[in-house]
Amino acid sequence: EVQLVESGGGLVQPGGSLILSCAVSGITFRDSTIHWVRQASGKGLEWVGRIRSNAYSFATAYAASVEGRFTISRDDSKNTAYLHMNSLKTEDTAVYYCIRFGELEDAFDIWGQGTMVTVSS
Amino acid sequence: SYEVTQPPSVSVSPGQTASITCSGDKLGNKYVAWYQQKPGQSPMLVIYKDDRRPSGIPERFSGSISGNTATLTISGTQGMDEADYYCQSWDSSTALFGGGTKLTVL
Repeated sequence: EVQLVESGGGLVQPGGSLILSCAVSGITFRDSTIHWVRQASGKGLEWVGRIRSNAYSFATAYAASVEGRFTISRDDSKNTAYLHMNSLKTEDTAVYYCIRFGELEDAFDIWGQGTMVTVSS
Repeated sequence: SYEVTQPPSVSVSPGQTASITCSGDKLGNKYVAWYQQKPGQSPMLVIYKDDRRPSGIPERFSGSISGNTATLTISGTQGMDEADYYCQSWDSSTALFGGGTKLTVL
């Protein structure tokens, strides 16, 4: 069974930092592109960024709203991707999903359950 | 910046056909996917590459695209189809989601 399990969410003050983890099982993680998408309460989906595989030099891309503050990394030996969040703002409060990008489908085919990040003083 | 637009809500009677549109200037240049999200759950892929259905998705779900408008059609809508639906496409390396459409089955 394919699983993506996020962890690391919680309450953080504005200006603070947090690292989210995405543990992946059931697929060949090293060949996978991993994306992060967030969803504020009662709002729509917002793409955050992605990291490609070693075959693509671990290339990353980010949404303009997080560029320069968020960084995505991965550890293929641990089948885990990370979302490093710095200089957090109240508007970053959301559920954060990690997602496996299906190359054949050209779409987000497997989603994690999400982890909640609350930025508040 | 480039945006993808969906109607905020669509209502349909059980057994009827629901159509949810997704519009954007560049939609004809990139594939469109559709996701279903029920309350308290993660989104789930229901249509990819404009009109293809993943295994396990009922045949009543179909997708199409004409020009810059993509459409998700649910034929013979059932109560279990009540959910939020999001279209998604691409602007270069950036994924774009529509604002979402709440489908109500009355």
